[in-house]
Amino acid sequence: DQQVKQNSPSLSVQEGRISILNCDYTNSMFDYFLWYKKYPAEGPTFLISISSIKDKNEDGRFTVFLNKSAKHLSLHIVPSQPGDSAVYFCAAPGTYKYIFGTGTRLKVLA
Amino acid sequence: EAQVTQNPRYLITVTGKKLTVTCSQNMNHEYMSWYRQDPGLGLRQIYYSMNVEVTDKGDVPEGYKVSRKEKRNFPLILESPSPNQTSLYFCASRGTEKLYGYTFGSGTRLTVV
Repeated sequence: DQQVKQNSPSLSVQEGRISILNCDYTNSMFDYFLWYKKYPAEGPTFLISISSIKDKNEDGRFTVFLNKSAKHLSLHIVPSQPGDSAVYFCAAPGTYKYIFGTGTRLKVLA
Repeated sequence: EAQVTQNPRYLITVTGKKLTVTCSQNMNHEYMSWYRQDPGLGLRQIYYSMNVEVTDKGDVPEGYKVSRKEKRNFPLILESPSPNQTSLYFCASRGTEKLYGYTFGSGTRLTVV
């Protein structure tokens, strides 16, 4: 059972526009969520997190929104830049681990 | 620089030949974990450790062993590698502040022929 789902394997966006990456989860007991970014030949790097007591967290160009009733979170990147082209994973905490989604490959077109 | 270092970065080996992938962190983190990444499956946890001498299985532990004799090191051992263990492996560590997430190493691409 996939507890964290990213249903869009890929997304292409023009430079300067907004990128919206989506993630759905099934376990309402998750108390926080994280987004990771991964470039080829590198390990994932932590991008931004959100506690379940909040519905929004912002860090520069990156904003994560949490809709608990829909069990849905999204990552907004505004404005998108070519350097944002990477695979993005959402993750939720399991017991002593993170449960990762399958990732969305974002391509920002110059 | 705070980091997780894993070696080697690339490894091609033959079925059945024991190998070890090393992992070391310099952040004094309590928690360490090994993940594998496969196409369409995301990142799946192999083993984790909560502290020295405390380890437990993750989601896909079959065919792997780990040890945590020192806080900074968490090697992954494949006693008898098989082709289905061909994958991209990541070691990761984190402290007690959950919202900062795991810090990942750069990865080890393993091919078993």
